[in-house]
Amino acid sequence: AQSVTQPDIHITVSEGASLELRCNYSYGATPYLFWYVQSPGQGLQLLLKYFSGDTLVQGIKGFEAEFKRSQSSFNLRKPSVHWSDAAEYFCAVWGGSQGNLIFGKGTKLSVKP
Amino acid sequence: EAGVVQSPRYKIIEKKQPVAFWCNPISGHNTLYWYLQNLGQGPELLIRYENEEAVDDSQLPKDRFSAERLKGVDSTLKIQPAELGDSAVYLCASSLGLAERNEQFFGPGTRLTVL
Repeated sequence: AQSVTQPDIHITVSEGASLELRCNYSYGATPYLFWYVQSPGQGLQLLLKYFSGDTLVQGIKGFEAEFKRSQSSFNLRKPSVHWSDAAEYFCAVWGGSQGNLIFGKGTKLSVKP
Repeated sequence: EAGVVQSPRYKIIEKKQPVAFWCNPISGHNTLYWYLQNLGQGPELLIRYENEEAVDDSQLPKDRFSAERLKGVDSTLKIQPAELGDSAVYLCASSLGLAERNEQFFGPGTRLTVL
């Protein structure tokens, strides 16, 4: 069965520092992978997605993610974090014929000045 | 263009009471999803609609939960009676169709508290 693991529940970084959020997936075939961000009181917003091709994908708000099949990972990165990036981040994999997204438990990002 | 609209945003009820959540998807989106998000967890699918047809409701607790999508547009999710464990955020999402390349757009959710 498909699953997503986000090993870090909570991460704190300083403003201006780099960021990497980890995501590992379990999927039998070629995965379709997504990163969403959820700010307090807001719905989930899609940051980026990977379907095929270039394993480094660019998203909105300066985020990027790299798909590594050998490690079953799809880590999210940002070179310089802004205070407005404080939110919860969810990695997800496409559930196949069910048509749903299978989400990890999320990583809460705090940004200190 | 308006996004996915959900109401109410917050609801507090006592256990055993009924409650209903409403969702208006993005215009033209045939596929509608209801997800449940417990505290500290990612969203989990409850039910998916293709137009007015529920095509995947395997995760919906049918003894107390029901949903409908009349005319293939708005949708209502109902709980009757509510239990303490139903306290969570209920998210609605919509997409153009059922395909991995069709982005799912999420509403802000309804936060339910059952006392």
